[in-house]
Amino acid sequence: RKEVEQDPGPFNVPEGATVAFNCTYSNSASQSFFWYRQDCRKEPKLLMSVYSSGNEDGRFTAQLNRASQYISLLIRDSKLSDSATYLCVVNGMYSGGGADGLTFGKGTHLIIQP
Amino acid sequence: DVKVTQSSRYLVKRTGEKVFLECVQDMDHENMFWYRQDPGLGLRLIYFSYDVKMKEKGDIPEGYSVSREKKERFSLILESASTNQTSMYLCASSEGQSFFLNSPLHFGNGTRLTVT
Repeated sequence: RKEVEQDPGPFNVPEGATVAFNCTYSNSASQSFFWYRQDCRKEPKLLMSVYSSGNEDGRFTAQLNRASQYISLLIRDSKLSDSATYLCVVNGMYSGGGADGLTFGKGTHLIIQP
Repeated sequence: DVKVTQSSRYLVKRTGEKVFLECVQDMDHENMFWYRQDPGLGLRLIYFSYDVKMKEKGDIPEGYSVSREKKERFSLILESASTNQTSMYLCASSEGQSFFLNSPLHFGNGTRLTVT
């Protein structure tokens, strides 16, 4: 069974600090990777895609390490509004035998404290 | 912006009722999905569809069926609702070919279903 693992947290971080968390995946054939943000009782929303070369969007940086099979999310200068659950999603090749290609982690809960 | 619309935000049904959850997307996406989300279990895929009239079972299809008669609409059907189907149901869509699910998912705002 292909899996995606995340530390559920919660990560309690003071406002303004830098926080990072990882997501490991077991399917070495995985093709694409994403980070989603989910607020309490709301739907997940795409935060950013994760490219092989890494990518940055303002205070957020995502990186992919194929050799060790994990992706990471770094948040700099954290804000109170960053408090949420962060889900990683790993898409592999659809094999026709089921939905193996779409796997969500269970999420990392982040709490930014004033 | 992609818009995925779920017909109901909250729904209360009785055990044994047939329940229809509707989802419509406005971006001509090929792929559509139904998930349920429960505390501690995360998001679990029920069914997905990569084309009109096509459907594939996800991780937990038992007790559910789906219908995709038009590209923009994907319906989830609970044939005989049970209390263990009380959950948050999330519809999503994505563009792209069926083989490589490389596009991000766009979610509707969810239907919180309670079965009493």
